[in-house]
Amino acid sequence: GAVVSQHPSRVICKSGTSVKIECRSLDFQATTMFWYRQFPKKSLMLMATSNEGSKATYEQGVEKDKFLINHASLTLSTLTVTSAHPEDSSFYICSALGLAVRYNEQFFGPGTRLTVL
Amino acid sequence: GENVEQHPSTLSVQEGDSAVIKCTYSDSASNYFPWYKQELGKGPQLIIDIRSNVGEKKDQRIAVTLNKTAKHFSLHITETQPEDSAVYFCAASGRTYKYIFGTGTRLKVLA
Repeated sequence: GAVVSQHPSRVICKSGTSVKIECRSLDFQATTMFWYRQFPKKSLMLMATSNEGSKATYEQGVEKDKFLINHASLTLSTLTVTSAHPEDSSFYICSALGLAVRYNEQFFGPGTRLTVL
Repeated sequence: GENVEQHPSTLSVQEGDSAVIKCTYSDSASNYFPWYKQELGKGPQLIIDIRSNVGEKKDQRIAVTLNKTAKHFSLHITETQPEDSAVYFCAASGRTYKYIFGTGTRLKVLA
């Protein structure tokens, strides 16, 4: 149980285009989801906290107009990288908080590798 | 601000030996401490966790210890195997449910 999926797993796009990444909790309801960014050989950096039905809370230094987050249902959050540029290339990972499943534990997705040409 | 220090950054051990990774956290309100294993190109996988009301937890070859007074927690892997080679991250979480991750330890188990 407590599986989180991400789609797509890999995406390559041209500079200036927008890319949407989906994060789904498959077998539990997640009122809160988190989006992380990870550079090669670095740790996970929290970008934003997404709560179902409300606006996302962004961490300091993360451009909310660049990284649009929507959490429209208890099982789906999306991250849209708008007007992507090569510096946005990274590994994006989502997680879902399943308070009813196990208190405090975040369940992580498999990640999405974004490459912007 | 809140942070989690993790050491060492790289660790090489012979197959069958033990490996220890240490983390120190700053926020005294932290009450949940998970450890993750991440293989190349994949998301983090929870391997063990501990809550603040417990000092030690063990699951087969893996154990975690917590010293709340010193704000230290450690991962112990015994009888290491080549498939244990990966990057390991510690994290600390508290009131906001947000995770503060350590900087990671690249473990290499030499056959």
